[in-house]
Amino acid sequence: AQSVTQLDSHVSVSEGTPVLLRCNYSSSYSPSLFWYVQHPNKGLQLLLKYTSAATLVKGINGFEAEFKKSETSFHLTKPSAHMSDAAEYFCVVGTQGGKLIFGQGTELSVKP
Amino acid sequence: DTAVSQTPKYLVTQMGNDKSIKCEQNLGHDTMYWYKQDSKKFLKIMFSYNNKELIINETVPNRFSPKSPDKAHLNLHINSLELGDSAVYFCASSHQAGGRTDTQYFGPGTRLTVL
Repeated sequence: AQSVTQLDSHVSVSEGTPVLLRCNYSSSYSPSLFWYVQHPNKGLQLLLKYTSAATLVKGINGFEAEFKKSETSFHLTKPSAHMSDAAEYFCVVGTQGGKLIFGQGTELSVKP
Repeated sequence: DTAVSQTPKYLVTQMGNDKSIKCEQNLGHDTMYWYKQDSKKFLKIMFSYNNKELIINETVPNRFSPKSPDKAHLNLHINSLELGDSAVYFCASSHQAGGRTDTQYFGPGTRLTVL
């Protein structure tokens, strides 16, 4: 069975400092992994996805994530946080049936 | 142009009523989905249709019935609404059916409040 665990329910950073949102996955086969972002009262937007090509995946708005099979991790990073990055972030695993399984979400706060 | 749209954006209703949420996608995708996001922001799939055929049906009460008149539309009808149905419902679409690598594109959500 596939699952994802987001290790932090809330992360707070100062503007201009790095962002790290942690995600561990469990999968019985080579996983497809996604990060989605949800701004307040908005829908979900895809940030990036991993589908067994390059292990370092670059996404939109300066975000990237690294797939580490040995650690079963897919952490999301950004070198410098911007106020507009404040949102809820979801780590997601795709399953063979096309069903997405979501992590619990990490709320990112950015302080000025 | 809006890729995946939902109506209404907000829906407030009384317990016991029947309501529908509509979803339309103009991406030319073959597969559409309904997800429910609870008050703790946890998202879970409810249904998936591929080209008007039901392919995913999670453990959802019979009061929820999806209907797909064509592959660009997937509506969600809810009978006898209960307090626990209060949530945000998201529609999504993707190019392929059963594709675990396929990106799903989400609508803006419908916030349902049952009083």
